[in-house]
Amino acid sequence: SQTIHQWPATLVQPVGSPLSLECTVEGTSNPNLYWYRQAAGRGLQLLFYSVGIGQISSEVPQNLSASRPQDRQFILSSKKLLLSDSGFYLCAWGIAAITDTQYFGPGTRLTVL
Amino acid sequence: SQQGEEDPQALSIQEGENATMNCSYKTSINNLQWYRQNSGRGLVHLILIRSNEREKHSGRLRVTLDTSKKSSSLLITASRAADTASYFCATDARYKLIFGSGTRLLVRP
Repeated sequence: SQTIHQWPATLVQPVGSPLSLECTVEGTSNPNLYWYRQAAGRGLQLLFYSVGIGQISSEVPQNLSASRPQDRQFILSSKKLLLSDSGFYLCAWGIAAITDTQYFGPGTRLTVL
Repeated sequence: SQQGEEDPQALSIQEGENATMNCSYKTSINNLQWYRQNSGRGLVHLILIRSNEREKHSGRLRVTLDTSKKSSSLLITASRAADTASYFCATDARYKLIFGSGTRLLVRP
């Protein structure tokens, strides 16, 4: 069966520090991968998606970047965090069309102070 | 702009009662999905309904889709305390899913 992992689960970082969040998927090949951010009490905002190794599409120009160094690994990064980067970050994967069912990881709660 | 929006924003019911949540959207869709999120956790996929379908069931869940009214509803029958969560609809917009802000459901024991 397929599983998706995210780490760390929680993170508290000072403004201006770098960020690296990692997501890995097991039990499937060539998945579509997604990074979302969720503000408190709100819906999800798509940040990046990838349909293959090295292929990254950015939805919102901002302080973040994404990379996909391996088929089932998706990394979200920032060189210098802003207060506005605080939120709940969710990684997801899917197999079919990008707009078909997506399967979410447990999320990372990021607080920037 | 928002594609799907849930209504109501919050719902509190007694265990055993039915819960109905609605989702309205603006542009034509190929499919609509419902997800559940427990507090502080990731989203769990519940049901996907395609534009040529009118109703779908999964256990205690019933989803309807009315493309003429651009709306969908999620019905949870015989609710349980464990159904307490936020429920989101997601609609397809060309190459991505757009999520609404969710309905927060509280099922009181």
